[in-house]
Amino acid sequence: GEDVEQSLFLSVREGDSSVINCTYTDSSSTYLYWYKQEPGAGLQLLTYIFSNMDMKQDQRLTVLLNKKDKHLSLRIADTQTGDSAIYFCAESVGTASKLTFGTGTRLQVTL
Amino acid sequence: NAGVTQTPKFRILKIGQSMTLQCAQDMNHNYMYWYRQDPGMGLKLIYYSVGAGITDKGEVPNGYNVSRSTTEDFPLRLELAAPSQTSVYFCASSYPGTGSLAHYGYTFGSGTRLTVV
Repeated sequence: GEDVEQSLFLSVREGDSSVINCTYTDSSSTYLYWYKQEPGAGLQLLTYIFSNMDMKQDQRLTVLLNKKDKHLSLRIADTQTGDSAIYFCAESVGTASKLTFGTGTRLQVTL
Repeated sequence: NAGVTQTPKFRILKIGQSMTLQCAQDMNHNYMYWYRQDPGMGLKLIYYSVGAGITDKGEVPNGYNVSRSTTEDFPLRLELAAPSQTSVYFCASSYPGTGSLAHYGYTFGSGTRLTVV
């Protein structure tokens, strides 16, 4: 089947904004998610967006959803060194709340 | 609350050996999942369960088995370990909410890093 696609790597300077992009596969996905994975740890839910929304803001995080293009993005304002991690997008597919994850984007924040 | 607990954290197996990866959650979640994470490949679903006594295959089930005798526990069994099963394994659970809770995302364990040599 098709994969949920993300670019592998993004490097930004501390204080700048980061934008992480994702192209998902299933136009009927009800919810779309962003997860953060720090080294040696499991995934942590950052935020989610319902499919009938096109934007959601949560403090420094802004999620944009373009259903026509099946494109999801995560913007992190004022990026800090603590934001360095791998970020995964995920879509809910089918029954049992199964999630399909993207390949992950490694965000590196430099001073 | 402990959340989702996975044991062991690390394990090295020889080809052909067997082992069970343990997963337990204390949040009374009905749904539980096993994923494997390979570098640059994201997470792939191995097996999942919607409640005690019910399990189903995910995207990559070959070489694995699961059971769900209680709501809390969801062990993953590798019967004949192969090098292709070298990976990081994550267990997750979720609450099958409805209405305003339908967005409920997964809670992940911290993972088991398995190497098969």
